[in-house]
Amino acid sequence: EAQVTQNPRYLITVTGKKLTVTCSQNMNHEYMSWYRQDPGLGLRQIYYSMNVEVTDKGDVPEGYKVSRKEKRNFPLILESPSPNQTSLYFCASWGQGRIEAFFGQGTRLTVV
Amino acid sequence: GENVEQHPSTLSVQEGDSAVIKCTYSDSASNYFPWYKQELGKRPQLIIDIRSNVGEKKDQRIAVTLNKTAKHFSLHITETQPEDSAVYFCAASLYGNKLVFGAGTILRVKS
Repeated sequence: EAQVTQNPRYLITVTGKKLTVTCSQNMNHEYMSWYRQDPGLGLRQIYYSMNVEVTDKGDVPEGYKVSRKEKRNFPLILESPSPNQTSLYFCASWGQGRIEAFFGQGTRLTVV
Repeated sequence: GENVEQHPSTLSVQEGDSAVIKCTYSDSASNYFPWYKQELGKRPQLIIDIRSNVGEKKDQRIAVTLNKTAKHFSLHITETQPEDSAVYFCAASLYGNKLVFGAGTILRVKS
């Protein structure tokens, strides 16, 4: 089954404690991206990747890091989380031909 | 970079009426414009898309129109049903790069 899997689904953490949200896709997609969803602001792009070892900033990259060492994985790293990073996060992937973005289940992150 | 604006932010219609959501984009080079539907507590899913070489596309009760000159595109839903209630997002992309989304429209269909 074609899918994007992100973990964890829910996470409560404290300010400053490093965390990683994992994302994996099994469709051999070239593109992967992280979005955060906040009420009234829609889906804002954090980082995206065009292929292995190729990443670029989206609209709200501050406070986040990513890496793309393998085609299937695209982890999101928060080195020092702050309360303003409390949000719903989605990972998505899509291919070059059929540009249909498949989204993961979402990760609801709360930073206290 | 690309910027996508979406209106209205909320839309209430009576069951059976039509609903129209509009988006404008800033980068004239963008050539792919999808629409996603997100039901409550779920992930966004593609419902229809259009490429810049096409002016209109239909799929049953939903249609999308594109005006490249004005840099805007619209989603039309006819004969709305309660199950159409959701958040709808438009997006724009150049050959699959970036994929920038609008802020979303909450559609409520009243029965």
